[in-house]
Amino acid sequence: GEDVEQSLFLSVREGDSSVINCTYTDSSSTYLYWYKQEPGAGLQLLTYIFSNMDMKQDQRLTVLLNKKDKHLSLRIADTQTGDSAIYFCAEGVRDNFNKFYFGSGTKLNVKP
Amino acid sequence: NAGVTQTPKFRILKIGQSMTLQCTQDMNHNYMYWYRQDPGMGLKLIYYSVGAGITDKGEVPNGYNVSRSTTEDFPLRLELAAPSQTSVYFCASSRDRGSNQPQHFGDGTRLSIL
Repeated sequence: GEDVEQSLFLSVREGDSSVINCTYTDSSSTYLYWYKQEPGAGLQLLTYIFSNMDMKQDQRLTVLLNKKDKHLSLRIADTQTGDSAIYFCAEGVRDNFNKFYFGSGTKLNVKP
Repeated sequence: NAGVTQTPKFRILKIGQSMTLQCTQDMNHNYMYWYRQDPGMGLKLIYYSVGAGITDKGEVPNGYNVSRSTTEDFPLRLELAAPSQTSVYFCASSRDRGSNQPQHFGDGTRLSIL
């Protein structure tokens, strides 16, 4: 099986940067994703990065990928209270059927 | 655009009862998925479908069945509900096979088996 691991909690102050980390094990992953889940809702795709890229920036979001160490991070600049949610890392694995493996999620708490 | 719609949002079942969780999508996506999310855990794939008439097992299929008679609908059936099936169930869809095709999720069905 494939393991995708994340720390469970992160607490930051409003206006600070948040960095959420993820490690994965499958070297055949092709895309890596970050999803956001707000209370009582489904997962919403935030951003994704192709596995041959090192970095992707999208407004306040920066994704960094270290393929050698199989480490993915999501940086949220100027974190707002509306960013409080659970963030899931997921990897897409090339297969006959393209499979996705999700981490257990990191709960981000933003203090005013 | 409704996206992926799941019903019901909440349900309580007694042990041994059966029920069907409904999922429909209006994006004409070929691929559809059912996941369960247990507290503090990531999503586990129950079943998936690559198109109408085609379904296959995921990581945790025991105790569940699915069907895919149309592109839009992908219901999940629990035949004999057990307490271990208490979970939040998410349906998702994606346009195509490629791993650059993100999955779109419904809001989930919260199911308790008592």
